[in-house]
Amino acid sequence: DQQVKQNSPSLSVQEGRISILNCDYTNSMFDYFLWYKKYPAEGPTFLISISSIKDKNEDGRFTVFLNKSAKHLSLHIVPSQPGDSAVYFCAASRNNAGNMLTFGGGTRLMVKP
Amino acid sequence: EAEVAQSPRYKITEKSQAVAFWCDPISGHATLYWYRQILGQGPELLVQFQDESVVDDSQLPKDRFSAERLKGVDSTLKIQPAELGDSAMYLCASSSQIRTSGGAGSQYFGPGTRLLVL
Repeated sequence: DQQVKQNSPSLSVQEGRISILNCDYTNSMFDYFLWYKKYPAEGPTFLISISSIKDKNEDGRFTVFLNKSAKHLSLHIVPSQPGDSAVYFCAASRNNAGNMLTFGGGTRLMVKP
Repeated sequence: EAEVAQSPRYKITEKSQAVAFWCDPISGHATLYWYRQILGQGPELLVQFQDESVVDDSQLPKDRFSAERLKGVDSTLKIQPAELGDSAMYLCASSSQIRTSGGAGSQYFGPGTRLLVL
């Protein structure tokens, strides 16, 4: 039973345009959400996070939106750059579960020059 | 910049053999995690340590997998005997604290060990 799902395995976007990566979750106990980026042959690196008490968090070109009622979050990258090409993982955690993360399956983003 | 170190980076072994992976977390990070990532899927937590104590190992296949962090610093994950289905990337991560309400507690990942069982 996948509690965190990323239904799009891949996404292709033109440089300079917006990239929108989506993530859905089923466990209503999740209260903290994170996005990680992973390049080949490297471990995932933390990108941005959002608490369930917020609906938006912005950091430079990256913005995460959370819709609790729909159990949906999205990552917006504007403008997209070729260096953003990587696999993006959505992850979620529960406050009473320490820092344990449940990951989605990932979305491969390709930004074309 | 401090990093999580893992070795080896790649390991090829035959089924029924024993394999071991090593992880050195960022200095001062009390919490250490081992994840398994099967190709095309997201990382799945195998075991979580707080200092030298196991916090969660509910997803660790204990009949063949073992993990230890004896001095609360570096850690070893062992598989004995290895099976074909164990082929995956094994990731180690560390964080400075258990996340409290409103805190970040972001995990920092090492480069991983890619295991191939033949």
